[in-house]
Amino acid sequence: DIQMTQSPSTLSASIGDRVTITCRASQSISSWLAWYQQKPGKAPKLLIYKASSLESGVPSRFRGSESGTEFTLTISSLQPDDFATYYCQQYISSSPWTFGQGTKVEIK
Amino acid sequence: EVQLLESGGGLIQPGGSLRLSCVASGFSFTNYAMSWVRQAPGKGLEWVAVISNSETSTYYVDSVRGRFTISRDNSKNTLYLQMNSLRADDTAVYFCAKGSKGFCSGGSCPLFDSWGQGTLVTVSS
Repeated sequence: DIQMTQSPSTLSASIGDRVTITCRASQSISSWLAWYQQKPGKAPKLLIYKASSLESGVPSRFRGSESGTEFTLTISSLQPDDFATYYCQQYISSSPWTFGQGTKVEIK
Repeated sequence: EVQLLESGGGLIQPGGSLRLSCVASGFSFTNYAMSWVRQAPGKGLEWVAVISNSETSTYYVDSVRGRFTISRDNSKNTLYLQMNSLRADDTAVYFCAKGSKGFCSGGSCPLFDSWGQGTLVTVSS
């Protein structure tokens, strides 16, 4: 199975900061990577699909990018509503779905 | 608006059985794969099982294969998860999730574009 390694596990940041979360796949997943946001006690919400495509209704401050098997979620200017836990997930057809361990974005 | 409403969770003893349900609305249920994803207390997300839109394909994470069965009733817009031989490490919130397409094709499988609010399953004596 493909392993997804996400870093950091926790990130402390301030309002307005640029935030970057990284996810590395153990083998090629092409661009079949999604990013989700989850707030405490709530269901995950899809933010990004196919590595860099923004889901409808998601603010443009969220951006996804890729370089080989390394994927990045960037929040250009952190807003109060963005404090949450973020997960990456691969969905290539040759392997069962797997998520990264999650990155909690906390208030600094 | 897509809505997914799970039910059936609760406290169950080890070795017991439970059936979860997820009623879907706001989209054409028969066109999309559906999945269950779980989250143990304080832990990350773990995909559990998926079923294709036509019910012809089902897949499971290794830890539940042989114990859990995913099914759907397209006439009732309802997804199910039958859980047998439950263990303490099955304790989690179980989310129902809508797939982004019918099933795996073109090199990719469905991702999960809408989620229910979750139902808590606690396995304990």
